[in-house]
Formats: sequence, C-alpha cells, structure tokens
Amino acid sequence: GDSVTQMEGPVTLSEEAFLTINCTYTATGYPSLFWYVQYPGEGLQLLLKATKADDKGSNKGFEATYRKETTSFHLEKGSVQVSDSAVYFCALSDNRNSGGSNYKLTFGKGTLLTVNP
Amino acid sequence: SQTIHQWPATLVQPVGSPLSLECTVEGTSNPNLYWYRQAAGRGLQLLFYSVGIGQISSEVPQNLSASRPQDRQFILSSKKLLLSDSGFYLCAWSSYSYNEQFFGPGTRLTVL
Repeated sequence: GDSVTQMEGPVTLSEEAFLTINCTYTATGYPSLFWYVQYPGEGLQLLLKATKADDKGSNKGFEATYRKETTSFHLEKGSVQVSDSAVYFCALSDNRNSGGSNYKLTFGKGTLLTVNP
Repeated sequence: SQTIHQWPATLVQPVGSPLSLECTVEGTSNPNLYWYRQAAGRGLQLLFYSVGIGQISSEVPQNLSASRPQDRQFILSSKKLLLSDSGFYLCAWSSYSYNEQFFGPGTRLTVL
C-alpha cells in the first residue's frame, strides 16, 4: 500500500537558519503530494501541494518539489522564524480514483520543528 | 468561503460515559468528511470517512462509531468511553473534485 516516510526529528534551529525536512513516498500510480502544518493545540493547515512530477509547491516562504525519480517531496525554507515552530506533516493522495471519488490521505508521522530566537 | 467547525473544543469524560462530537462544514455541498484521531505523539489515524448522507466507512475496529445525518454534519459517538479513547480528534472535509483535505480546529478529549 501507499506510505510516507519523513524525518521524525525533533528539529531545532536558530532563527534565520535554512530548513529541510525530508519526505519520501511509496505509491502506485501518480499521487498528489502535500505538506501540512500543525501549530500547538490546533488542527492541520494545508501549507502547499503538488499534483504532478516536477511541480513546485510554495507558500509563506516554504517550497517543495515533486521528484518522481527519487519519490521525494522535501520541504525547504531559506530563513526560518520563531513563528514557524510547529509540527509538519507530509502526505499523499492516491489519484487512482480519478472519477472524483473519496480521496484518502496517507500521512507521515510528523516532524516537530522548534525555532529558537 | 468554506469553514469547518468542531465542538466541543475540550471535553473531559469519565470512563464508561457516552460521547458525541460534532463537526459541521459551511460553504460547500456534498463534501467528503473524515474523522481522525491524534494520540500522544503526532501521528494521525483515520477513523471514519463518508462520501454522502448515511454512508460511513470505518477504517479500524474500535469503540467508536460515526454518523452523517445531514449533508454537512458528521458526528463521532461512543456508548461507553475507554481510557484509550483519549486524544485529539480532528474532522476534515474534501470536495468531490479536489483531493486536498481541510481540517477543523479539533476536540481535545480526556477520559479519566
């Protein structure tokens, strides 16, 4: 079945440092890929997405590129802020049910990021 | 725009008591709806999903049940809570055409 593997962390960085959170996946077919962010005590927010190979998703200074050859979708940010401290989830959606059926997401286990001032 | 609500935000219940958590979505019709549980730590477990009124699919056997009495309402229930039911419960929705899911603010359940 489908699976997502991401570095579990925790990751601790100083403000303005460069961030990379690795995510690799296993899926049959051509999944869509997502990064979600969860701030303490809150639900998950969609951070960015990519739907096909070589697509780059970006939002709030974060970027991730859909690499089919390496089955990866690594999250990067050039300069992190204290406000970026959160748990980050990589996820994929199986697009085999392309007729518009139920889309279940497969999540990684999450990576806790702490940014210190 | 679409919004998703969950209530209550926090709940403390004794073992053996019943449970009812509610989720409602506004601004869309015929959404797919999902219940997740996030236990201590950070992983997400899909509990139930629904593609329409009265249609419920269960992902894991457990002490919980779900119902969808209206198009944009999704309810998570239990007749008798267990200690292991404690956790953070998240509701999410997705549209028929797009595969990303949008999450509610969650309910923190503590069973004592």
